[in-house]
Amino acid sequence: DAGITQSPRHKVTETGTPVTLRCHQTENHRYMYWYRQDPGHGLRLIHYSYGVKDTDKGEVSDGYSVSRSKTEDFLLTLESATSSQTSVYFCAISDLAGVYTQYFGPGTRLTVL
Amino acid sequence: SQQGEEDPQALSIQEGENATMNCSYKTSINNLQWYRQNSGRGLVHLILIRSNEREKHSGRLRVTLDTSKKSSSLLITASRAADTASYFCATAGLIQGAQKLVFGQGTRLTINP
Repeated sequence: DAGITQSPRHKVTETGTPVTLRCHQTENHRYMYWYRQDPGHGLRLIHYSYGVKDTDKGEVSDGYSVSRSKTEDFLLTLESATSSQTSVYFCAISDLAGVYTQYFGPGTRLTVL
Repeated sequence: SQQGEEDPQALSIQEGENATMNCSYKTSINNLQWYRQNSGRGLVHLILIRSNEREKHSGRLRVTLDTSKKSSSLLITASRAADTASYFCATAGLIQGAQKLVFGQGTRLTINP
């Protein structure tokens, strides 16, 4: 998986609790992305980062925040988890702007009860 | 929305046959990419075709792009059981001032032995 790890790989949590997912890369790529994958929706972009401390919203950013304090780490936080955020979350990296190949992590399966 | 729409949603063929998947999109693009996702795994980049290209080959993969019809096709020749996976097209272009990839919902391909 191109030097990308995600943690945790599986998580079950309760509605209303905060959750943080971590993406770690060893490729020194500038761009990092968080997607969610749901049946019938494909992959949808939540947030992305184009450098340390530089982030922007994607298509489905409500209820999520991100932080990137180091090149190698991109954190996704669900401020107060809801059942609609039950999904599989993928991190991706790219060495150039999003028009080029993205490399994906193995995913985190999150269940919000 | 620039999201690609894929057709068919599911395809089941016999090993050795060719598999064709189609992708349509709505707006102008910089390039179009195809990814494969095995069950429970992240996406893996297969091939990229630029907007000024009409056809591209990579091993048993052949991709065509028709920008006048805003459509692309992925052909997998001489299919193998290991080709069983979901296949996604992703269009790359300028969205809200930033270059991004937008994924379709995918085609689930099953190769029967």
